[in-house]
Amino acid sequence: RKEVEQDPGPFNVPEGATVAFNCTYSNSASQSFFWYRQDCRKEPKLLMSVYSSGNEDGRFTAQLNRASQYISLLIRDSKLSDSATYLCVVYPNQAGTALIFGKGTTLSVSS
Amino acid sequence: NAGVTQTPKFRVLKTGQSMTLLCAQDMNHEYMYWYRQDPGMGLRLIHYSVGEGTTAKGEVPDGYNVSRLKKQNFLLGLESAAPSQTSVYFCASRPRGTPHSNQPQHFGDGTRLSIL
Repeated sequence: RKEVEQDPGPFNVPEGATVAFNCTYSNSASQSFFWYRQDCRKEPKLLMSVYSSGNEDGRFTAQLNRASQYISLLIRDSKLSDSATYLCVVYPNQAGTALIFGKGTTLSVSS
Repeated sequence: NAGVTQTPKFRVLKTGQSMTLLCAQDMNHEYMYWYRQDPGMGLRLIHYSVGEGTTAKGEVPDGYNVSRLKKQNFLLGLESAAPSQTSVYFCASRPRGTPHSNQPQHFGDGTRLSIL
């Protein structure tokens, strides 16, 4: 089983749509969780951290279910500028270890 | 405040040539990482370093060597480049300890390497 697995995508949605991405991770000791965004093979950039209680940042909502080892990202009222690849990222709680990235899910928002 | 700087940005090599990619960070971070990214494969860790003078293998270390002689620099070397090493290479760094929630890992802009 891959350490971090994401929906295969791509997701093609119209402007204004709501879209959800899912992610599962294999290491139950993982401590920290994030969603990154990547545009056109540029460097990944942090979108938001994911907290156990769930958290929201504008149109974006992230959820974590530690029991199921499942992370989700919900985007409401999609904009053209949301078109990108979204990476699910996990920190496995081992000193010095790098963040582990999922392969990413591509979102394309059209007018 | 430059953050993480990668040089060069682009490079084309012939099979068998050697080269070194440089990653420099000015944030006094202990941990540094080299990733490669290929279509459909996501980011894969090549090598990493938890401090000056120490390095360790990541997921895909074969064909690469690294050195961390100074805390601020992490070098990635290709001794004999192969077409399979055509990729985009990203360097990243972060402070010791649990990743910060507001900026868990700082990335460079990437190096686009083509090997013919």
